[in-house]
Amino acid sequence: AQKITQTQPGMFVQEKEAVTLDCTYDTSDQSYGLFWYKQPSSGEMIFLIYQGSYDEQNATEGRYSLNFQKARKSANLVISASQLGDSAMYFCAMREPDSGNTPLVFGKGTRLSVIA
Amino acid sequence: GAVVSQHPSRVICKSGTSVKIECRSLDFQATTMFWYRQFPKQSLMLMATSNEGSKATYEQGVEKDKFLINHASLTLSTLTVTSAHPEDSSFYICSVMAGGRDTQYFGPGTRLTVL
Repeated sequence: AQKITQTQPGMFVQEKEAVTLDCTYDTSDQSYGLFWYKQPSSGEMIFLIYQGSYDEQNATEGRYSLNFQKARKSANLVISASQLGDSAMYFCAMREPDSGNTPLVFGKGTRLSVIA
Repeated sequence: GAVVSQHPSRVICKSGTSVKIECRSLDFQATTMFWYRQFPKQSLMLMATSNEGSKATYEQGVEKDKFLINHASLTLSTLTVTSAHPEDSSFYICSVMAGGRDTQYFGPGTRLTVL
């Protein structure tokens, strides 16, 4: 079974609008970490936001927020006030347990296109 | 500034040759580094976990004799693709855990093309 599921291969959003990128995960661990990365056409992986399974508050980083719904096992990324530079691939990832020596498992990604 | 560097950023080689890719942790010591591979229009797949001073741990389906990993110091891990073939053409990217439990930083990646 897939550990990380991103059901939206591609999304379009108007500039200055908000957009939600979906991510659901599958784990039986109590300790896990959820990540979102942005990958522009250059290929670099840019860390956006992190949510630990024990964190009670939803993570926020500037225009990025993570809508963490633990019971539904979802960790959607919300980008507010979209900019043209937000056009890129976005990957949701998980590590279990949530420790530094655990690698990430990635979803298939969502390609976001911001329209002027 | 960059936390993780990779060299080279791009390499083209002939089939049958070996290619070495370096991953350096710039600001901190890393006992563990991860190597991922990304084929065009696909996601990142973990290849192996590189451990300083010990043997790497490879994922199922990754040939350890073909993808040699050496983690000789706390700031450097190398991936050598031996006897490269066109099907090894891919984007290879390393990552390092840094600064606590949350962030895992990635290098800029190496695009390998085998002719």
